[in-house]
This record gives sequence, structure tokens and C-alpha cells, in this order.
Amino acid sequence: QVQLVQSGAEVKEPGASVKVSCKASGYIFNTYAIHWVRQAPGQRLEWMAWINAGNGNTKYSQKLQGRVTVTSDTSASTAYLELSGLRSEDTAVYYCARGNLPNDHWGQGTLVTVSS
Amino acid sequence: EIVLTQSPATLSLSPGERATLSCRASQSISGNYFAWFQQKPGQAPRLLIFDASNRATGIPDRFSGSGSGTDFILTISRLEPEDVAVYFCQQYGDSPRTFGQGTKVEV
Repeated sequence: QVQLVQSGAEVKEPGASVKVSCKASGYIFNTYAIHWVRQAPGQRLEWMAWINAGNGNTKYSQKLQGRVTVTSDTSASTAYLELSGLRSEDTAVYYCARGNLPNDHWGQGTLVTVSS
Repeated sequence: EIVLTQSPATLSLSPGERATLSCRASQSISGNYFAWFQQKPGQAPRLLIFDASNRATGIPDRFSGSGSGTDFILTISRLEPEDVAVYFCQQYGDSPRTFGQGTKVEV
């Protein structure tokens, strides 16, 4: 069965960077895109970025452009999200989700807390 | 970007009753690329409906989706206690993908 397993919770200081991983199994990794979505406390879900796991093409939210980078390692069936210049408002649960069109499978989420 | 507005914010019903959740888009959704998700506390979102009206794999037939253009509906025909969750909508026809703010269903 399709599974996306994310790395564990992180606590970071303001200004630092964080890298979250998303390991896929149960399907051919390079045939689907991986999207990254975050959910801050009390806020609606926010789409952050997308990577075509087949050819490495990426697209980023304009709001986060310049601070966010998504990559993938097809040999490890793993996608990565890196967010730099962390601020308190980046405190959120970060999800990866599979999907060329609908996001049909999601990771369990990774809590990133930004605090001094 | 397309703004999705859900109503009501909270829906309190009894087991066996019908729930009707609404999502309105600020502009027409291309290709009817519209989805509904269920999210229980501490869990990841679960895809219920895609392309506005297609049930995802393993989703009970008491869940149905309808609508087109700017107005979409999720119907839960006979509520069960396990349906307690936040339901939110998403459009994936236009970039960036956007989400509604959610409707909390209480049973």
C-alpha cells in the first residue's frame, strides 16, 4: 500500500533552517509529484511547493519563494523540504502529499516549532 | 489566487441525519479539479472526493460530492459517530492550490 513517512518533530531557533524528509513506498516514486503543505495553529492549510519526482521540476509558493527548496532522491524514494530564515510564524505541521492531480496520499505530518 | 470559503463553520447533527457542507470559490475552478478531505485530530487529511464528484478508494458511499464552477457541496447522507472531524475543500485546477478554512462536524 502507498505510504509516505516523514521525519520527526523539530525545534529550531529564529533564523535557522529546517529540512524535512518524506520517504515513499508502495508505488513507483518517479511517476508522481510530491507536494508540501503546512498547517499553522488555527489556520487553513497552505500549499508551499511541488516537485515532479520524475524530472525534478519544481514550483514554489510566491509567498515563500527564496526561502523554500524542495528536492528528491529517486534512489531513496525520498523527497525533502528545506525552509530557511525561520520565523515564529513558520511554526506549523508540515505535510508531504502525493499527487499529480488530487493529493491522494499524505504523510503523517512533521511538527516544526520555531522558538528562541 | 483562488479563495475558498466554506460554510457553515460548525455543523452539529445527530447520528443518522444528513449533513450538507458548502464550499464557494472566488472564481470558477477549471476542469472541476476540486476535492474534499476529512481530517481527524492529530491525523493527516484523508481524501474523500476528487474531481468534484468522484469518491476516493475505500470511501463509504454515504459520502458524495456535487457542484461545478464556483459552488461545491459535500453530502454525508447518514451521519455516523466516526464522521466527527473537520472537513475541508481544495482546488487543484489553478496554481497555487488553495484550501478552505474547514467545517467542523459534531455528532
